Amino acid sequence: AQKVTQAQTEISVVEKEDVTLDCVYETRDTTYYLFWYKQPPSGELVFLIRRNSFDEQNEISGRYSWNFQKSTSSFNFTITASQVVDSAVYFCALRASGGSYIPTFGRGTSLIVHP
Amino acid sequence: EAQVTQNPRYLITVTGKKLTVTCSQNMNHEYMSWYRQDPGLGLRQIYYSMNVEVTDKGDVPEGYKVSRKEKRNFPLILESPSPNQTSLYFCASSPYGQGSNQPQHFGDGTRLSIL
Repeated sequence: AQKVTQAQTEISVVEKEDVTLDCVYETRDTTYYLFWYKQPPSGELVFLIRRNSFDEQNEISGRYSWNFQKSTSSFNFTITASQVVDSAVYFCALRASGGSYIPTFGRGTSLIVHP
Repeated sequence: EAQVTQNPRYLITVTGKKLTVTCSQNMNHEYMSWYRQDPGLGLRQIYYSMNVEVTDKGDVPEGYKVSRKEKRNFPLILESPSPNQTSLYFCASSPYGQGSNQPQHFGDGTRLSIL
């Protein structure tokens, strides 16, 4: 069975602070894919990033960065110099071959950035 | 434009009155699924389909039905809605098989209230 845990239910920060959203996953597969999605207050779900299990390089996109560590089964997401527009619910997800590539989502982390 | 279209976006109805939420995608994706989102519970999968005429239960299928007669459409049917089905519903699609590393595309959501 596969599982995604986002232990942080809600995080509250002040603008310009750095914030890290944690994602820990469980799978027995060696081939799998990890995703992050953003759900702003308007409600739609927006794809942010994809990582496959063979690529442990960290990725940076502007103020966003992702730290993938297979040794700890984690795929954490950091926002540098947070802004009010970053306020959203963020979901981590996993697709693995053993789970027939059926996506498994974490419960989401609600990030509130105060001005 | 690649998209997943859900209708209606909002619906208020009464207990026991059958309703259908439609979902259509224009990307020729094999995989489609329905999720419900409730506070504190994240995204929970209701049903999914790996291709035409192939559907299976997700984590919370009770009280729902689906069909996949055409590749592009995946309607969600509530035969006898009850108040505990009041929720925000999302339809999603993505490639399957070799394309399983692709992110899901989500519809804009349907907010359903059952009185």
